[in-house]
Amino acid sequence: EAGVTQFPSHSVIEKGQTVTLRCDPISGHDNLYWYRRVMGKEIKFLLHFVKESKQDESGMPNNRFLAERTGGTYSTLKVQPAELEDSGVYFCASSQGMDIRGYGYTFGSGTRLTVV
Amino acid sequence: GNSVTQMEGPVTLSEEAFLTINCTYTATGYPSLFWYVQYPGEGLQLLLKATKADDKGSNKGFEATYRKETTSFHLEKGSVQVSDSAVYFCALSDAGGYNKLIFGAGTRLAVHP
Repeated sequence: EAGVTQFPSHSVIEKGQTVTLRCDPISGHDNLYWYRRVMGKEIKFLLHFVKESKQDESGMPNNRFLAERTGGTYSTLKVQPAELEDSGVYFCASSQGMDIRGYGYTFGSGTRLTVV
Repeated sequence: GNSVTQMEGPVTLSEEAFLTINCTYTATGYPSLFWYVQYPGEGLQLLLKATKADDKGSNKGFEATYRKETTSFHLEKGSVQVSDSAVYFCALSDAGGYNKLIFGAGTRLAVHP
């Protein structure tokens, strides 16, 4: 079974530019999550999709971030315009069920975003 | 709010040494507790978990016990190997909503031959 795929693996952009990160979950996983780790600190929850709907977007930092999941398959996370503090590693995860205790997540390898 | 605090790294050990990575948490209710590991160039992997007080999670020689009285979930391994070099993250799932994780800052472990 293919795992969770994220690309690009690395991205370096200038402040003010736009970047789009993509996540392909495991086939059949309705639940898709975005997290990020900024400056070597805690990994923080951004949002949770169930199929194409946003179940919980309480962690989205501001309106420069836009997440979509068209058709309930892959997801994109767009940052526009990027700021220096957006640098970090963005992780995607997917799961079959919503309860983390039972189903667990499968994480992707992450996208390292550097804004200069 | 809920939070997780881990010991700062990096932790540097010689092969076959004993490992402890401390993790304490603040949470309302009865969260579930997890340790995730990130090996170089890979994604986060679930290492072990415990869903109620006094439960012990174990995997690959690692163990952690859910201690409600001390709000701790320390990770231990009796004899580390070079292949254990990675970043280790302690996490909890909110008892009010089991769909997301709250992570600590991570602890980098380097094991030398």
